[in-house]
Amino acid sequence: DAKTTQPNSMESNEEEPVHLPCNHSTISGTDYIHWYRQLPSQGPEYVIHGLTSNVNNRMASLAIAEDRKSSTLILHRATLRDAAVYYCNLRDAGGTSYGKLTFGQGTILTVHP
Amino acid sequence: EPEVTQTPSHQVTQMGQEVILRCVPISNHLYFYWYRQILGQKVEFLVSFYNNEISEKSEIFDDQFSVERPDGSNFTLKIRSTKLEDSAMYFCASSVLSMLNTEAFFGQGTRLTVV
Repeated sequence: DAKTTQPNSMESNEEEPVHLPCNHSTISGTDYIHWYRQLPSQGPEYVIHGLTSNVNNRMASLAIAEDRKSSTLILHRATLRDAAVYYCNLRDAGGTSYGKLTFGQGTILTVHP
Repeated sequence: EPEVTQTPSHQVTQMGQEVILRCVPISNHLYFYWYRQILGQKVEFLVSFYNNEISEKSEIFDDQFSVERPDGSNFTLKIRSTKLEDSAMYFCASSVLSMLNTEAFFGQGTRLTVV
């Protein structure tokens, strides 16, 4: 799997936007970018994914750089419930894997009231 | 909202004993996975299962581990002879298609403690 790099931790204040960066300089043309998060004492939870274009859903937005070597997960208004570990992952459409998702260390997001 | 359910939530077992961790994936999903997370460490892939057979497994998934979908609804992980280092949270996941271009749903996990 291509490697991703994320900051170990970030902090935010409640109701402020949060931009979580991810570098994936070795991304291939067929790699999808997936974001998951893990709240304390819970299983991972899907957040969003994309290939080339920016994506929005009810949870977040995903901004993908034009060269696709980096992406940013945007939480528009952080809440205390958004405090979690956020994982950026790549999945290869051209590979033979049946969809294994590989988790790195992720970014620990702390949200202050 | 449909969800992946796992039982038990916490299992304590003696070293050398066999354990079976149970999962009920979402009903129309076709791909099934087991992951584990040792306390304080990252989530690690164990195995993926599709069309009633293992499609991929990690180095962790050795001969002591097996998976089964015995009745079309349950998906189980068996550890034949548990070791202390098997103590971890075990997460089951399922997805309609492969995790490639769709979301995967994870259960709340089973905390396995080997004593």
